[in-house]
Amino acid sequence: GAGVSQTPSNKVTEKGKYVELRCDPISGHTALYWYRQSLGQGPEFLIYFQGTGAADDSGLPNDRFFAVRPEGSVSTLKIQRTERGDSAVYLCASSSRQGAGGANVLTFGAGSRLTVL
Amino acid sequence: AQSVAQPEDQVNVAEGNPLTVKCTYSVSGNPYLFWYVQYPNRGLQFLLKYITGDNLVKGSYGFEAEFNKSQTSFHLKKPSALVSDSALYFCAVRAGNNAGNMLTFGGGTRLMVKP
Repeated sequence: GAGVSQTPSNKVTEKGKYVELRCDPISGHTALYWYRQSLGQGPEFLIYFQGTGAADDSGLPNDRFFAVRPEGSVSTLKIQRTERGDSAVYLCASSSRQGAGGANVLTFGAGSRLTVL
Repeated sequence: AQSVAQPEDQVNVAEGNPLTVKCTYSVSGNPYLFWYVQYPNRGLQFLLKYITGDNLVKGSYGFEAEFNKSQTSFHLKKPSALVSDSALYFCAVRAGNNAGNMLTFGGGTRLMVKP
């Protein structure tokens, strides 16, 4: 597609429930990133995929959070046993492949707003 | 570790006046620096980046930023502000040798341009 697409745009769930958030990156972009943006703060890095594999998951806050990208395109962020503190906007971004000397721009989606009651 | 500081939560400026949004950074090695803008209920939009070369970088919508290595700063500027520039602005940094391109963002600065 023309841009990064994220669904759902809004998700309201109850504490303890399981949630999946989907990201469809720009066609041909091999790198995909998940960020979390809490109210009044800047985006915080969660996980980065290069192709199908998670190249860096150091930002995932705990083992309730997991992400997959099985075919190297669409990615799903999965949150188990949601807590009120998980409420935030989850942002997905993609970029084309680059090496250490490159600086391709990350293109962000509009985000998925998660509210845990 | 890399970090970004945006010391001002909000900047107020009158339309037509010049604006500056401040950013300082910390990173090992050469920095790659970015500015993004966020409008309500929308994703971050890229404004400009500094990789190497001329310290003054020009970007979208008339914005520019000046890289100052000695002060580790990358302030965003515009000669004449528009009401439509009102938004949330984020500075971001990554190390030049970071192959993963993971950006670290500042906390954001809200720009309010009044008519």
